[in-house]
Amino acid sequence: ETGVTQSPTHLIKTRGQQVTLRCSSQSGHNTVSWYQQALGQGPQFIFQYYREEENGRGNFPPRFSGLQFPNYSSELNVNALELDDSALYLCASSFGGRGEQFFGPGTRLTVL
Amino acid sequence: EDKVVQSPLSLVVHEGDTVTLNCSYEVTNFRSLLWYKQEKKAPTFLFMLTSSGIEKKSGRLSSILDKKELSSILNITATQTGDSAIYLCAVEPYSGGGADGLTFGKGTHLIIQP
Repeated sequence: ETGVTQSPTHLIKTRGQQVTLRCSSQSGHNTVSWYQQALGQGPQFIFQYYREEENGRGNFPPRFSGLQFPNYSSELNVNALELDDSALYLCASSFGGRGEQFFGPGTRLTVL
Repeated sequence: EDKVVQSPLSLVVHEGDTVTLNCSYEVTNFRSLLWYKQEKKAPTFLFMLTSSGIEKKSGRLSSILDKKELSSILNITATQTGDSAIYLCAVEPYSGGGADGLTFGKGTHLIIQP
């Protein structure tokens, strides 16, 4: 059984740039959720993708957007990066979007 | 707005001690409460507690859900240095249409000294 994978592991960008983060879900899972974890905080829900559509969204602005592909992998795109976007971005997969969610190792994004 | 509060925020104990971590929550429509262990990056799933499964145990770890008090505890007995981590508590609501995601607390940073 393949676990959740994310790429890249680290990324450094400057303010105003755009970034794309990638996630491959665990085999057998069809739902991907994205979370932002700032230093010293718990993860915060960004949005969830199910059947290639956004299925729910947390309190994040529209410059955070995503995609889900037919193989259930997903992308998180962030436009017009701000310093406060510096965080660990976690992807979690599940079946049907309910209950246990299994997390990937995350992408550490630094915005300078 | 759903809310999760964990206590203590940090805890230092000696190997062999027993620890109890606390989690209280406010959620509009409760579906489940989950515990995760985060060592470096990826939170690792520990337990999921629901109305039909209020007590779980795995080895030295156990957890209880108190739906009346809107809280949960995570117990670790005979602690080992490998238990050092951040322990995260999260709640999942029932949502009418799409998903609301998990709401996490800030976590308890547990340090086990040899």
